[in-house]
Amino acid sequence: GQNIDQPTEMTATEGAIVQINCTYQTSGFNGLFWYQQHAGEAPTFLSYNVLDGLEEKGRFSSFLSRSKGYSYLLLKELQMKDSASYLCAVMDDYKLSFGAGTTVTVRA
Amino acid sequence: DAGITQSPRHKVTETGTPVTLRCHQTENHRYMYWYRQDPGHGLRLIHYSYGVKDTDKGEVSDGYSVSRSKTEDFLLTLESATSSQTSVYFCAISPGQQSSGANVLTFGAGSRLTVL
Repeated sequence: GQNIDQPTEMTATEGAIVQINCTYQTSGFNGLFWYQQHAGEAPTFLSYNVLDGLEEKGRFSSFLSRSKGYSYLLLKELQMKDSASYLCAVMDDYKLSFGAGTTVTVRA
Repeated sequence: DAGITQSPRHKVTETGTPVTLRCHQTENHRYMYWYRQDPGHGLRLIHYSYGVKDTDKGEVSDGYSVSRSKTEDFLLTLESATSSQTSVYFCAISPGQQSSGANVLTFGAGSRLTVL
């Protein structure tokens, strides 16, 4: 089975940095994904890691350690529009399994 | 946006009635998926398809069936809807193996189903 854990909620101030951690135990691994989901909308793809290390994409970065079953998503220079749920997901043989999501609230 | 549409977007039905949700894509992607999303559970895979007439179960497949008779359409059927199937249903598509290694899923806008 798949077990993917991430915090339920986080709050941060506009302009700050927030790090969302994700730990996973899965039967197989073909990559780790992060998605963003605004309330009432569909999830949208943010980042993908399959090798250990950091992937940077503008204000967003994602890190992976396969030996530790650990990833994080780093959101820098937070903006109000970054208030959303962030979903950690693991790909196993073309099936994507999701954690329950972390709701990030950005305050002015 | 990727060419993926879901219908209907909203539906209210009664317990025991059959319901079919449709997912239509114009991307010619090989893989199609049905997920449900409920508070506290996140997205859970119901069924997926890896080609025409090729489907497999996900983690919450009981009470659901699927069909894919054409590349572009993936149908999710609830034979006899129950209140526990009240949820938001998302369809997703993906191309399969890529040279970049990332088999990115793109999601439809979702279908909100209420079973009374």
